Amino acid sequence: SQQGEEDPQALSIQEGENATMNCSYKTSINNLQWYRQNSGRGLVHLILIRSNEREKHSGRLRVTLDTSKKSSSLLITASRAADTASYFCATVTSSGYSTLTFGKGTMLLVSP
Amino acid sequence: DADVTQTPRNRITKTGKRIMLECSQTKGHDRMYWYRQDPGLGLRLIYYSFDVKDINKGEISDGYSVSRQAQAKFSLSLESAIPNQTALYFCATSGRGQGANNQPQHFGDGTRLSIL
Repeated sequence: SQQGEEDPQALSIQEGENATMNCSYKTSINNLQWYRQNSGRGLVHLILIRSNEREKHSGRLRVTLDTSKKSSSLLITASRAADTASYFCATVTSSGYSTLTFGKGTMLLVSP
Repeated sequence: DADVTQTPRNRITKTGKRIMLECSQTKGHDRMYWYRQDPGLGLRLIYYSFDVKDINKGEISDGYSVSRQAQAKFSLSLESAIPNQTALYFCATSGRGQGANNQPQHFGDGTRLSIL
């Protein structure tokens, strides 16, 4: 069963614009992670936010976490064509070990 | 060289055949995982192993088996392949250490498996 659900399923923007993707989950978490997948490739870890954190930054990425709403958002600022990829949120539940439960992903297309 | 290597990258086979997918890593990680990815469904966990003597079932283990031959090697087998096992398969690793549950996972580039 999917723990995380991303929204929207697909997003199309122009270079330079910001892209925001949302993730909702169902059960209490230890942490939430965001991954990127380029077409035909494996997933690449972007950022991890722990349950006691509310916001985290890494370069052009900003992640927020609202545990009361069981939701997270990923903001990519000043998007580039190279950001075109699928983005997945994944959670480690409070009762689990280090196993991740993935959402279905958001497909981002950034046009030049 | 890739830190997590999967072989083969592509495989086409027939229903009923036994298939083995292999994963090797040079990251020195204790934890290894197998996932499958289907269009529109994200990744689902098949099996995972926290060390050489540890094997655990994931969400969708039926029809699959695994072997952890060494710290660096984790193979996935389909004993008798069926068409609905056609998917993209990923191996991943993560470190142990302090805060093991807060370690990111590192993925191979996947094996595209088609069962006719």
